[in-house]
Amino acid sequence: GQQVMQIPQYQHVQEGEDFTTYCNSSTTLSNIQWYKQRPGGHPVFLIQLVKSGEVKKQKRLTFQFGEAKKNSSLHITATQTTDVGTYFCAGRERGSTLGRLYFGRGTQLTVWP
Amino acid sequence: DAGITQSPRYKITETGRQVTLMCHQTWSHSYMFWYRQDLGHGLRLIYYSAAADITDKGEVPDGYVVSRSKTENFPLTLESATRSQTSVYFCASTVARGDTGELFFGEGSRLTVL
Repeated sequence: GQQVMQIPQYQHVQEGEDFTTYCNSSTTLSNIQWYKQRPGGHPVFLIQLVKSGEVKKQKRLTFQFGEAKKNSSLHITATQTTDVGTYFCAGRERGSTLGRLYFGRGTQLTVWP
Repeated sequence: DAGITQSPRYKITETGRQVTLMCHQTWSHSYMFWYRQDLGHGLRLIYYSAAADITDKGEVPDGYVVSRSKTENFPLTLESATRSQTSVYFCASTVARGDTGELFFGEGSRLTVL
């Protein structure tokens, strides 16, 4: 069955440093989504990538979808304390029903001022 | 966002009791989901529903029952709660057109089973 692996599980950085989290699937994905969950909160949608090799940017955040549509990454440039939270990727296996959206375990980001 | 609400937000129950977590959305989204979140496991899909009266199992369905008689409601029932079901439960919904769209999550229901 589909598995979405995400690394690292934890990342501690000093404010101003960069941060990257990686997501890998055992199967080809139809799309990949990224979510952010602040401590004590609920996941909030950040972006969706659909095309092979797609790159999207949101201010300091850069999202990539691999050529084979099996991996993705989220890169944050010059982290700020407001970036604190857990970042999740979520993917749906190509050909599976629309409801089968599986999440990675998340990367918990801590930013020291 | 008040469009999707969960209740109760907090619940403490005992092993063997039946518990129902409610989820209500006002957008008429076709798809609804139940996830549980545990440390080290991220978000795991319990059940999802593509429309009223259409439900299907996710990764961890054992011990849970769902129903969806109306589009806006998607309750999750633990028929006989166990300690391993202590978790934070998130309901989510989306409009899926051609592909799974953005999920909108509720605030979560924190369940403790003693």
